[in-house]
Amino acid sequence: NAGVTQTPKFRILKIGQSMTLQCTQDMNHNYMYWYRQDPGMGLKLIYYSVGAGITDKGEVPNGYNVSRSTTEDFPLRLELAAPSQTSVYFCASSSHHGTEAFFGQGTRLTVV
Amino acid sequence: DQQVKQNSPSLSVQEGRISILNCDYTNSMFDYFLWYKKYPAEGPTFLISISSIKDKNEDGRFTVFLNKSAKHLSLHIVPSQPGDSAVYFCAASGAGANSKLTFGKGITLSVRP
Repeated sequence: NAGVTQTPKFRILKIGQSMTLQCTQDMNHNYMYWYRQDPGMGLKLIYYSVGAGITDKGEVPNGYNVSRSTTEDFPLRLELAAPSQTSVYFCASSSHHGTEAFFGQGTRLTVV
Repeated sequence: DQQVKQNSPSLSVQEGRISILNCDYTNSMFDYFLWYKKYPAEGPTFLISISSIKDKNEDGRFTVFLNKSAKHLSLHIVPSQPGDSAVYFCAASGAGANSKLTFGKGITLSVRP
Protein backbone atom coordinates (compact mmCIF):
# COMPACT_ATOMS: atom_id res chain seq x y z
CA ASN A 1 0.00 0.00 0.00
CA ALA A 2 1.82 3.11 -1.24
CA GLY A 3 -0.35 5.85 0.35
CA VAL A 4 1.41 9.20 -0.14
CA THR A 5 4.73 9.10 -1.96
CA GLN A 6 7.18 12.01 -2.03
CA THR A 7 10.32 12.38 -4.10
CA PRO A 8 13.13 13.16 -3.63
CA LYS A 9 13.90 12.28 0.00
CA PHE A 10 16.87 14.64 0.17
CA ARG A 11 18.08 17.55 -1.93
CA ILE A 12 20.70 20.26 -1.70
CA LEU A 13 20.05 23.38 -3.76
CA LYS A 14 22.13 26.45 -4.39
CA ILE A 15 20.60 29.88 -3.78
CA GLY A 16 18.56 30.92 -6.81
CA GLN A 17 18.07 27.42 -8.19
CA SER A 18 14.64 25.98 -8.74
CA MET A 19 13.19 22.55 -8.18
CA THR A 20 9.94 20.62 -7.95
CA LEU A 21 9.02 18.39 -5.06
CA GLN A 22 6.82 15.59 -6.28
CA CYS A 23 3.87 14.15 -4.39
CA THR A 24 1.43 11.47 -5.45
CA GLN A 25 -1.29 9.60 -3.59
CA ASP A 26 -3.20 6.47 -4.52
CA MET A 27 -6.12 6.77 -2.09
CA ASN A 28 -8.32 8.86 -4.40
CA HIS A 29 -8.35 11.68 -1.85
CA ASN A 30 -9.68 15.03 -2.97
CA TYR A 31 -7.73 17.04 -0.41
CA MET A 32 -3.97 17.43 -0.61
CA TYR A 33 -1.58 19.58 1.38
CA TRP A 34 2.01 20.75 1.53
CA TYR A 35 3.56 21.49 4.92
CA ARG A 36 7.01 22.53 6.02
CA GLN A 37 8.52 21.71 9.37
CA ASP A 38 11.36 23.78 10.77
CA PRO A 39 13.39 22.61 13.80
CA GLY A 40 11.41 22.91 17.02
CA MET A 41 8.36 24.11 15.16
CA GLY A 42 5.09 22.53 14.20
CA LEU A 43 3.88 21.92 10.70
CA LYS A 44 3.13 25.07 8.73
CA LEU A 45 0.72 24.83 5.80
CA ILE A 46 2.18 26.12 2.53
CA TYR A 47 -0.54 25.34 -0.02
CA TYR A 48 -3.50 23.04 -0.24
CA SER A 49 -5.93 21.72 -2.83
CA VAL A 50 -9.54 20.62 -2.45
CA GLY A 51 -9.62 18.86 -5.80
CA ALA A 52 -8.11 18.70 -9.27
CA GLY A 53 -7.75 22.18 -10.73
CA ILE A 54 -8.23 23.98 -7.40
CA THR A 55 -5.43 25.25 -5.18
CA ASP A 56 -5.21 27.80 -2.39
CA LYS A 57 -2.62 29.43 -0.17
CA GLY A 58 -1.89 28.31 3.35
CA GLU A 59 -0.01 30.14 6.10
CA VAL A 60 3.40 30.40 4.42
CA PRO A 61 2.97 30.39 0.60
CA ASN A 62 5.63 32.95 -0.38
CA GLY A 63 8.34 31.51 -2.60
CA TYR A 64 6.30 28.48 -3.62
CA ASN A 65 3.85 27.46 -6.31
CA VAL A 66 1.64 24.41 -6.77
CA SER A 67 -0.55 22.83 -9.38
CA ARG A 68 -3.17 20.09 -9.25
CA SER A 69 -3.86 18.76 -12.71
CA THR A 70 -4.92 15.30 -11.48
CA THR A 71 -6.43 13.90 -8.29
CA GLU A 72 -3.26 11.89 -7.65
CA ASP A 73 -0.49 14.48 -8.06
CA PHE A 74 0.26 17.69 -6.21
CA PRO A 75 3.77 18.99 -7.03
CA LEU A 76 5.36 21.88 -5.12
CA ARG A 77 7.60 24.25 -7.06
CA LEU A 78 10.38 26.42 -5.64
CA GLU A 79 11.36 29.00 -8.23
CA LEU A 80 14.26 30.91 -6.63
CA ALA A 81 15.56 28.93 -3.70
CA ALA A 82 16.56 30.90 -0.60
CA PRO A 83 18.27 29.75 2.62
CA SER A 84 15.00 30.43 4.49
CA GLN A 85 13.47 27.55 2.53
CA THR A 86 15.79 25.04 4.16
CA SER A 87 13.31 22.76 5.86
CA VAL A 88 11.62 19.38 5.82
CA TYR A 89 8.64 19.30 3.50
CA PHE A 90 5.68 16.98 3.95
CA CYS A 91 2.92 16.25 1.53
CA ALA A 92 -0.38 14.92 2.90
CA SER A 93 -3.81 13.91 1.68
CA SER A 94 -7.20 13.40 3.27
CA SER A 95 -10.69 12.36 2.27
CA HIS A 96 -12.25 15.30 4.11
CA HIS A 97 -10.98 18.70 5.15
CA GLY A 98 -9.61 18.89 8.67
CA THR A 99 -9.81 15.18 9.37
CA GLU A 100 -7.22 12.42 9.45
CA ALA A 101 -4.51 13.24 6.94
CA PHE A 102 -2.01 10.74 5.60
CA PHE A 103 1.53 12.01 5.26
CA GLY A 104 4.41 11.17 2.98
CA GLN A 105 7.88 10.43 4.35
CA GLY A 106 9.13 13.95 3.78
CA THR A 107 11.75 15.73 1.69
CA ARG A 108 14.71 17.25 3.49
CA LEU A 109 15.79 20.32 1.54
CA THR A 110 18.91 22.34 2.21
CA VAL A 111 19.56 25.62 0.39
CA VAL A 112 23.18 26.79 0.47
CA ASP B 1 -0.28 33.78 17.14
CA GLN B 2 -0.24 30.10 18.00
CA GLN B 3 -3.73 28.66 18.07
CA VAL B 4 -2.58 25.21 19.19
CA LYS B 5 -0.02 25.15 21.97
CA GLN B 6 2.10 22.33 23.27
CA ASN B 7 3.98 24.15 25.97
CA SER B 8 6.22 21.34 27.15
CA PRO B 9 8.82 20.52 24.52
CA SER B 10 9.77 17.18 26.04
CA LEU B 11 8.68 14.47 28.46
CA SER B 12 10.58 11.51 29.87
CA VAL B 13 8.82 8.59 31.56
CA GLN B 14 9.71 5.13 32.78
CA GLU B 15 8.57 2.12 30.78
CA GLY B 16 5.28 0.79 32.13
CA ARG B 17 4.21 4.13 33.62
CA ILE B 18 1.66 6.57 32.25
CA SER B 19 2.63 9.29 29.77
CA ILE B 20 0.44 12.40 29.75
CA LEU B 21 0.91 14.79 26.86
CA ASN B 22 -0.92 18.12 27.06
CA CYS B 23 -2.26 20.47 24.44
CA ASP B 24 -4.10 23.80 24.69
CA TYR B 25 -5.96 25.71 22.01
CA THR B 26 -7.22 29.26 21.74
CA ASN B 27 -9.64 29.12 18.82
CA SER B 28 -13.14 28.35 20.13
CA MET B 29 -14.21 27.40 16.60
CA PHE B 30 -12.10 24.24 16.68
CA ASP B 31 -14.30 21.18 17.04
CA TYR B 32 -12.10 18.28 15.98
CA PHE B 33 -8.80 17.34 17.53
CA LEU B 34 -6.15 14.85 16.50
CA TRP B 35 -2.87 13.47 17.76
CA TYR B 36 -0.09 12.47 15.41
CA LYS B 37 3.07 10.53 16.17
CA LYS B 38 6.32 11.12 14.31
CA TYR B 39 9.49 9.08 14.26
CA PRO B 40 12.76 10.59 12.94
CA ALA B 41 13.05 10.63 9.16
CA GLU B 42 9.40 9.61 8.74
CA GLY B 43 6.19 11.47 8.13
CA PRO B 44 3.64 11.99 10.92
CA THR B 45 1.15 9.16 11.38
CA PHE B 46 -2.34 9.55 12.75
CA LEU B 47 -2.81 8.19 16.25
CA ILE B 48 -6.20 9.12 17.66
CA SER B 49 -8.83 11.83 17.36
CA ILE B 50 -11.76 13.27 19.26
CA SER B 51 -14.77 15.31 18.29
CA SER B 52 -15.96 18.17 20.46
CA ILE B 53 -19.20 16.31 21.19
CA LYS B 54 -17.19 13.84 23.26
CA ASP B 55 -14.91 14.29 26.24
CA LYS B 56 -13.01 11.03 25.92
CA ASN B 57 -11.91 8.64 23.21
CA GLU B 58 -9.99 5.46 23.83
CA ASP B 59 -8.03 3.20 21.49
CA GLY B 60 -6.02 0.48 23.16
CA ARG B 61 -3.27 2.05 25.25
CA PHE B 62 -4.12 5.54 23.99
CA THR B 63 -6.83 7.77 25.43
CA VAL B 64 -7.53 11.37 24.53
CA PHE B 65 -9.43 13.62 26.93
CA LEU B 66 -11.04 16.88 25.91
CA ASN B 67 -12.00 19.70 28.27
CA LYS B 68 -13.83 22.21 26.11
CA SER B 69 -14.36 24.80 28.81
CA ALA B 70 -10.63 24.89 29.51
CA LYS B 71 -9.75 24.53 25.80
CA HIS B 72 -7.44 21.73 26.79
CA LEU B 73 -6.84 18.19 25.64
CA SER B 74 -4.47 15.51 26.76
CA LEU B 75 -3.19 12.22 25.42
CA HIS B 76 -2.65 9.43 27.92
CA ILE B 77 -0.49 6.43 27.05
CA VAL B 78 -0.78 3.51 29.45
CA PRO B 79 1.44 1.59 29.83
CA SER B 80 4.22 3.47 28.08
CA GLN B 81 6.63 1.42 25.97
CA PRO B 82 10.07 2.27 24.57
CA GLY B 83 8.58 2.12 21.06
CA ASP B 84 6.35 5.05 22.01
CA SER B 85 9.42 7.31 22.03
CA ALA B 86 8.66 9.85 19.29
CA VAL B 87 7.45 13.39 18.68
CA TYR B 88 3.72 13.84 19.28
CA PHE B 89 1.82 16.59 17.52
CA CYS B 90 -1.55 17.90 18.58
CA ALA B 91 -3.74 19.25 15.75
CA ALA B 92 -7.14 20.90 15.55
CA SER B 93 -9.69 21.89 12.95
CA GLY B 94 -13.13 23.40 12.68
CA ALA B 95 -15.65 24.43 10.08
CA GLY B 96 -15.33 26.99 7.31
CA ALA B 97 -12.21 29.12 7.52
CA ASN B 98 -10.86 26.90 10.31
CA SER B 99 -11.28 23.68 8.37
CA LYS B 100 -7.59 23.11 7.74
CA LEU B 101 -5.55 21.28 10.35
CA THR B 102 -3.58 23.57 12.67
CA PHE B 103 -0.65 21.88 14.38
CA GLY B 104 1.16 22.48 17.64
CA LYS B 105 4.97 22.47 17.86
CA GLY B 106 5.14 18.92 19.13
CA ILE B 107 6.33 17.16 22.29
CA THR B 108 9.26 14.76 22.29
CA LEU B 109 8.42 11.73 24.42
CA SER B 110 11.22 9.51 25.69
CA VAL B 111 10.29 6.24 27.36
CA ARG B 112 13.15 4.85 29.44
CA PRO B 113 13.50 1.05 29.63
